[in-house]
Amino acid sequence: DSGVTQTPKHLITATGQRVTLRCSPRSGDLSVYWYQQSLDQGLQFLIQYYNGEERAKGNILERFSAQQFPDLHSELNLSSLELGDSALYFCASSVGPAGHNEKLFFGSGTQLSVL
Amino acid sequence: GDSVTQMEGPVTLSEEAFLTINCTYTATGYPSLFWYVQYPGEGLQLLLKATKADDKGSNKGFEATYRKETTSFHLEKGSVQVSDSAVYFCALPRVTNAGKSTFGDGTTLTVKP
Repeated sequence: DSGVTQTPKHLITATGQRVTLRCSPRSGDLSVYWYQQSLDQGLQFLIQYYNGEERAKGNILERFSAQQFPDLHSELNLSSLELGDSALYFCASSVGPAGHNEKLFFGSGTQLSVL
Repeated sequence: GDSVTQMEGPVTLSEEAFLTINCTYTATGYPSLFWYVQYPGEGLQLLLKATKADDKGSNKGFEATYRKETTSFHLEKGSVQVSDSAVYFCALPRVTNAGKSTFGDGTTLTVKP
């Protein structure tokens, strides 16, 4: 058990809809990272938050947004969903701000299926 | 910019065979290097790491040596087991100024009895 909790584990929805994925980081970790894993694109970094502030942005679509709350949990919002958004979404956490030489702890992921 | 290039898969081996998964990197400075493993239905977990040149990381029979001269961090195991079947990711554990967290594409290993 990594200590990172993601909910829900599975999500099935329709095109055009909006969903929210939730992540609780490991106790004491201030950074939260979101990744998208799909068969054709591999593991893609989406965004990182550190102590409530956006720290780095990767390949995140404009239809997607995220935030980290004062209690350090994070939510990833996906809107106007398309078939191609179907993927496994991972949250990871680390102690520090930059992931620099730091180990990431991954949750077990949310499997999103857009039908 | 920083990047990781990982051996393409999938890789299928028989039990007790020798495993090598190649990983090369491009990076500024002297980053640590990590191998993560993802078992079916689970998230990624750290398998091993090396923090400086010539360091050897090891765990669960897997080894990888940080080679600065060849910018490589190849993963090896002398005798694989069915339970080693998983996806393996080489990684530079940092987010660059370009906002990229550098993981390789992953190599799927299947070990047959």
